[in-house]
Amino acid sequence: DTAVSQTPKYLVTQMGNDKSIKCEQNLGHDTMYWYKQDSKKFLKIMFSYNNKELIINETVPNRFSPKSPDKAHLNLHINSLELGDSAVYFCASSQPYYGYTFGSGTRLTVV
Amino acid sequence: DQQVKQNSPSLSVQEGRISILNCDYTNSMFDYFLWYKKYPAEGPTFLISISSIKDKNEDGRFTVFLNKSAKHLSLHIVPSQPGDSAVYFCAALGNSGAGSYQLTFGKGTKLSVIP
Repeated sequence: DTAVSQTPKYLVTQMGNDKSIKCEQNLGHDTMYWYKQDSKKFLKIMFSYNNKELIINETVPNRFSPKSPDKAHLNLHINSLELGDSAVYFCASSQPYYGYTFGSGTRLTVV
Repeated sequence: DQQVKQNSPSLSVQEGRISILNCDYTNSMFDYFLWYKKYPAEGPTFLISISSIKDKNEDGRFTVFLNKSAKHLSLHIVPSQPGDSAVYFCAALGNSGAGSYQLTFGKGTKLSVIP
């Protein structure tokens, strides 16, 4: 029973398209995150979100937007995809402090 | 601005020997440190952690050492096993300046344990 699940696992799409990646956690955690792992393997936070507050990393383009229909879901919408958006995107969730659990990642390829 | 640095991209160790993975950080506001292990095509999984008020934490074959004055931590794996072959990420928890209390990762070190 997967704790943090994200879909799809692989996504290939053309430049300019709009796409979404879904994330769900069944851990009852209060906070969810999106991380991006770029070609240099650097894991960098994009967003952190609980039901009270969305924190956006200022380096993230506004083409990226998180949407949370409820506490267990945090989906990532990307508009007008660019080649540089190609990366692996990881969803994660945590309780306050250190209990981070990650999804298995979504490999996005923009062609 | 890399606040968490793992300067060795890769490390090869013979099975049964000790693996030592190093990590340096620059932000003195970090107060909790974690190591994650990642296999290909999977998300990072939590391995071991240490609070900034301690200098050592041990869990089976895994020990993490923290030297606050040097802003340095290391993960020791003894004895190393082929199944330990993975990418190991050092991460630090605290206010990294991006507006939230969050986890900041190093770039990872790929450990290969040779049978």
